[in-house]
Amino acid sequence: GQQLNQSPQSMFIQEGEDVSMNCTSSSIFNTWLWYKQDPGEGPVLLIALYKAGELTSNGRLTAQFGITRKDSFLNISASIPSDVGIYFCAGQLADGGSQGNLIFGKGTKLSVKP
Amino acid sequence: DSGVTQTPKHLITATGQRVTLRCSPRSGDLSVYWYQQSLDQGLQFLIQYYNGEERAKGNILERFSAQQFPDLHSELNLSSLELGDSALYFCASSVEVRGLGGYTFGSGTRLTVV
Repeated sequence: GQQLNQSPQSMFIQEGEDVSMNCTSSSIFNTWLWYKQDPGEGPVLLIALYKAGELTSNGRLTAQFGITRKDSFLNISASIPSDVGIYFCAGQLADGGSQGNLIFGKGTKLSVKP
Repeated sequence: DSGVTQTPKHLITATGQRVTLRCSPRSGDLSVYWYQQSLDQGLQFLIQYYNGEERAKGNILERFSAQQFPDLHSELNLSSLELGDSALYFCASSVEVRGLGGYTFGSGTRLTVV
């Protein structure tokens, strides 16, 4: 179906660690976006990807649009405490499904290791 | 400040009541989207308006309705409220109809039904 599988669902980080998360689907997308949501706030756009194979960085964040156009990943290098939050992937289906609107993954919740 | 304004920020009301949530999109944006986010849930798409017209409908209950006014602000009306309607409600906006450049989210309205 038209859904995004985002993993992991949650993860704990220790300051300085690299973090990796991804979104996969059985459908083909022509746009991938990554958002971050801080507690009590709305999601904020981090990175937008528009071409298969595209690799884009935003500071310590790097995201890639998968070659098959069915997946995307987000990496955070040298994590810091303010990286905690919920990260959402979002994509636009290439076949115009979902009326052309973005489909969101269920999010990856990043927390600090106790 | 994302430029998308949502009011009120918090709302507490009783079951069976009706409330109206308001959203002013970012200046220049014609498209408005409403999303519901329950505890530990992803973003559930409710409805989209573009330049005053309803464009797409998601998982919106019949008890919920929305409209976009000539000045492009939008209102989401929730009636016959139930405990399960307690959630964060986000409004997002985009310049063009499919939001290819990504959506800009407001800070949300936290609705608590008691």
